[in-house]
Amino acid sequence: DAMVIQNPRYQVTQFGKPVTLSCSQTLNHNVMYWYQQKSSQAPKLLFHYYDKDFNNEADTPDNFQSRRPNTSFCFLDIRSPGLGDAAMYLCATSRWEGNQPQHFGDGTRLSIL
Amino acid sequence: SQELEQSPQSLIVQEGKNLTINCTSSKTLYGLYWYKQKYGEGLIFLMMLQKGGEEKSHEKITAKLDEKKQQSSLHITASQPSHAGIYLCGADPQGGSEKLVFGKGTKLTVNP
Repeated sequence: DAMVIQNPRYQVTQFGKPVTLSCSQTLNHNVMYWYQQKSSQAPKLLFHYYDKDFNNEADTPDNFQSRRPNTSFCFLDIRSPGLGDAAMYLCATSRWEGNQPQHFGDGTRLSIL
Repeated sequence: SQELEQSPQSLIVQEGKNLTINCTSSKTLYGLYWYKQKYGEGLIFLMMLQKGGEEKSHEKITAKLDEKKQQSSLHITASQPSHAGIYLCGADPQGGSEKLVFGKGTKLTVNP
């Protein structure tokens, strides 16, 4: 089935140690998103790509970076994770035609030791 | 910026009961999306509403967007344990934007 796949499902890293989360899609959607969701909170958009055009949210910390080497893959890099970065990270995709639903992966739960 | 407020924050019902979840916006809703999230998992798309007064149904779930396009409701008829989860509403903040703003969600528990 066509879908959005996130790896790994669970990631544990040490305080300050760089970590990369990955997302792949078989939907051939041109927009890919990264969200951060903390417990009992709404998903918060970090950034998104329209094809290779990167769009950063104004309040996304510089510690968070992203790469999209091709249509299918998108990566979230956290350069120096702090305790406050422990959260669920959700990847989503959509078509860019206005009013299109976003399709989400199962998320990666990041823990910081 | 647009904010979405969901009510109630949590809901516990007995299997077979009907229930309603509300999503209220501080601004006009150009596109309103309902998602379901199981604990520790991603969001599953349920329905999208665009026009004032629009109503859509899928199995036992019905979503409506009011005429003024500032409030949406999600109604579940004859709830089942499989309906349990967190229901989130999301909205296009600008109209034609590819971005969504989400509410904090309503946690639904259905007791057998």
